[in-house]
Amino acid sequence: NAGVTQTPKFQVLKTGQSMTLQCAQDMNHNSMYWYRQDPGMGLRLIYYSASEGTTDKGEVPNGYNVSRLNKREFSLRLESAAPSQTSVYFCASSEGPTGQPQHFGDGTRLSIL
Amino acid sequence: GEDVEQSLFLSVREGDSSVINCTYTDSSSTYLYWYKQEPGAGLQLLTYIFSNMDMKQDQRLTVLLNKKDKHLSLRIADTQTGDSAIYFCAEREGTYKYIFGTGTRLKVLA
Repeated sequence: NAGVTQTPKFQVLKTGQSMTLQCAQDMNHNSMYWYRQDPGMGLRLIYYSASEGTTDKGEVPNGYNVSRLNKREFSLRLESAAPSQTSVYFCASSEGPTGQPQHFGDGTRLSIL
Repeated sequence: GEDVEQSLFLSVREGDSSVINCTYTDSSSTYLYWYKQEPGAGLQLLTYIFSNMDMKQDQRLTVLLNKKDKHLSLRIADTQTGDSAIYFCAEREGTYKYIFGTGTRLKVLA
C-alpha cells in the first residue's frame, strides 16, 4: 500500500525556471493538500483541494498554481521559480470533512539557485 | 488566524518518559493530532484525539487533552533512541484546514 507518492524527491532549479511537483494517493481520499516546510516555521498550507474539481488557496499561495487532475492526483506548479521558494514540499491527503487525519508523502526537496 | 505553539527542544535519557506539550487557540477544534518526522522523511501520524476525550492511550503513547486550558500533551513512556525525531502537534480548523505547530525536536540520550 503506497499511500501518498510524491515525485520527484529532489530537484534543483535556476531562478525563473518552471516545474511541476506531482502527487498521487491510493487511499480513495477526497481531500488533498500541498504544504511547504521551512526551518523553524512548521508546515504552511499552500493550496488544498477539498474534493475532485475544487481547489482553494491556503496561507501562502503566491507564486504557485495547482491542478486536481482527478481524485488520485494533485499537482503543484511553480511558473517562475524564485530563491524564496527553496523549501521542502509535502503533499497530504485525507478522507475529507470527517476529521480523519492527514496522510503525508515523503516530500520533495527543492532548491532554487 | 488560529495558532499552535510548541517548545522547540526536549532532551531526555533513554528509558525515561518524554512529555511534549502543545497549546492551541481554536476553542472549536474537534480533532487534535500528533505527528512524528524523522530526518529526511515525511510526517507520520502517531495518534489523534477527539475533543470530547480527555485521554487516549496507545501502547507507549498517552495523549492528554485539557480543553479548558487548550493544552495538549504527548507522553512517550520508556523513551528509546529511535524516538529521536521532530514531533508536530496539529489542530483542525474548520472542515479542511489543519494548523501545525513549529515542532518539538526530541533528542534521546543513550
